[in-house]
Amino acid sequence: AQSVTQPDIHITVSEGASLELRCNYSYGATPYLFWYVQSPGQGLQLLLKYFSGDTLVQGIKGFEAEFKRSQSSFNLRKPSVHWSDAAEYFCAVGGYDYKLSFGAGTTVTVRA
Amino acid sequence: GAVVSQHPSWVICKSGTSVKIECRSLDFQATTMFWYRQFPKQSLMLMATSNEGSKATYEQGVEKDKFLINHASLTLSTLTVTSAHPEDSSFYICSAKGEMASQPQHFGDGTRLSIL
Repeated sequence: AQSVTQPDIHITVSEGASLELRCNYSYGATPYLFWYVQSPGQGLQLLLKYFSGDTLVQGIKGFEAEFKRSQSSFNLRKPSVHWSDAAEYFCAVGGYDYKLSFGAGTTVTVRA
Repeated sequence: GAVVSQHPSWVICKSGTSVKIECRSLDFQATTMFWYRQFPKQSLMLMATSNEGSKATYEQGVEKDKFLINHASLTLSTLTVTSAHPEDSSFYICSAKGEMASQPQHFGDGTRLSIL
């Protein structure tokens, strides 16, 4: 069975500071990995995805993530956060059947 | 980018009525659509997977007679909550995916359902 763990429930970061959100997954084969962002009362927006190839993936809004097979991790990073980055972030893992398993989410608060 | 439209965004209705939620892929053909339920401050729970022209596959514990899913075309899937009760109140989100494995799921903006 596939699963995702996001160890940090809530992270507070100052505007302009760097951000890293952790994600660990469990999957029996090569996973498809995703990061989505959700603003309150909204659906999910895809930030980036990993299917194969280069393990450092660039996404939208200045985000990037690195796939580390040895650590079963897919951590999300941004060098300098903006107030508009305050949201809920979900890591997800999928496989051949395209079903996604989501982590519990990490709430990001940005302080001025 | 790919756009998925979900309608309505918010609905309030009386207990016992049925509610239909639509999910449309606006600029791509969605061979597979997914329906999720999300409780406040929680993650998404997959309810069912639907492929165009086929019966939906429901996750364990999801009542198929309560949550009717139709995926009649490559751009439209509907979720009907039948005889809704207050415990069905939730945030329902659909997603759509094209046929290529490399295509991710694209999500609608969700429907807030409140049953009085």
